[in-house]
Amino acid sequence: QLQLQESGPGLVRPSQTLSLTCTVSDGSISNGGLSWNWLRKPPGRGLEWMGYIYYSGSTYYNPSLKSRIAISLDASKRQFSLQLTSVTAADTAVYYCARKIPATNWFDPWGQGTLVTVSS
Amino acid sequence: QSALTQPASVSGSPGQSITISCTGTSSDIGTYNYVSWYQQHPGKAPRLIIYDVNKRPSGVSDRFSGSKSGNTASLTISGLRAEDEADYHCCSFTGSSTWVFGGGTKLTVL
Repeated sequence: QLQLQESGPGLVRPSQTLSLTCTVSDGSISNGGLSWNWLRKPPGRGLEWMGYIYYSGSTYYNPSLKSRIAISLDASKRQFSLQLTSVTAADTAVYYCARKIPATNWFDPWGQGTLVTVSS
Repeated sequence: QSALTQPASVSGSPGQSITISCTGTSSDIGTYNYVSWYQQHPGKAPRLIIYDVNKRPSGVSDRFSGSKSGNTASLTISGLRAEDEADYHCCSFTGSSTWVFGGGTKLTVL
């Protein structure tokens, strides 16, 4: 059964860049039809879809984050990554990675999530 | 895109049924039959329990059911059990390859 695992620093300074990696347990990251997504849940607020990447490298981002977000993929390491620039306290959240199957509109499975706090 | 609206909390006794609402707009729930629901226990990954409004993935109990009317989707859990105590999140496709979530609902089993 596919598993995803997020990793990265738990503390980021304001105005710096947040960088996280999601490791995929099998080789399906190289399946061209699958999209690999990042989502987050700020404390006390709902989940927010952030963006996705395909094996081809094509990406699509939430318009609200478009100027600050970048998602990349390294199939040789079975990983995809998130970079979010110019972070503020509002970017404090639990960050999740998740898979989406082609022609569907749900996310499954998800990683366990990793808490990132933005603070000086 | 504004978030979907869910009640912050609901509660019920074991064996009872509860319903969690998820209200959107004509731009998301009202237009697309692509509502999904996720169950999340503390410290755990969200788990898909309903997709495409009313479909259950393999392995999900038939005590969970979904429906939609107009701009509002609903998740019903029948025969409540202690293990159903969790947070529940709704999600809708909004077009243009974007998705929006609700604020989440905490279910307490009394």
